Amino acid sequence: DGGITQSPKYLFRKEGQNVTLSCEQNLNHDAMYWYRQDPGQGLRLIYYSQIVNDFQKGDIAEGYSVSREKKESFPLTVTSAQKNPTAFYLCASSRGQGLQETQYFGPGTRLLVL
Amino acid sequence: AQSVSQHNHHVILSEAASLELGCNYSYGGTVNLFWYVQYPGQHLQLLLKYFSGDPLVKGIKGFEAEFIKSKFSFNLRKPSVQWSDTAEYFCAVNRGPPLASGTYKYIFGTGTRLKVLA
Repeated sequence: DGGITQSPKYLFRKEGQNVTLSCEQNLNHDAMYWYRQDPGQGLRLIYYSQIVNDFQKGDIAEGYSVSREKKESFPLTVTSAQKNPTAFYLCASSRGQGLQETQYFGPGTRLLVL
Repeated sequence: AQSVSQHNHHVILSEAASLELGCNYSYGGTVNLFWYVQYPGQHLQLLLKYFSGDPLVKGIKGFEAEFIKSKFSFNLRKPSVQWSDTAEYFCAVNRGPPLASGTYKYIFGTGTRLKVLA
């Protein structure tokens, strides 16, 4: 089955700790995205990547970092600099970067702070 | 500020009732419009999308949406809801100009939680 997988489903972070959320896709999509979902705020773009070894900041990149070493993988690290990390994190991908591209989403990771 | 507005944050309906969820956007140029649904415990799924052509778009599970350019709206409708339609619904707009690297940005609404009573 083609799709996007995210792991873990739940992640707990201690104060001062960096944690990494995994996102893998086997759709052969070039573009990948990370969103943060908070109640009542919809989805906000953290980072996006159009090709391997290239990525760009979205609207709320502070306190996060990403890498894109492989086409299939786009891990997100929530650093200790992110003061309010508790949220639902969604990874998405699209075939390309055009105006009419549809984004497809993974199942999400819920991050909680201990 | 440019935005996507979903005015109904919570909607409760009985089964067989008709549904209309509002979505308004504030962009003046070319836009592409989407409705996504997030069922409890599941990932965000595409319900339907509008790029061009017939402004009445039909999606999966009996949903449809109408693009009214003059009203900057893309409301989602379903004539008769079922208990299984209980979910959160998100409207999204993809529009130019592109971001760095040439990609276009999705803007999401804040979502509408629909609860259908059996």
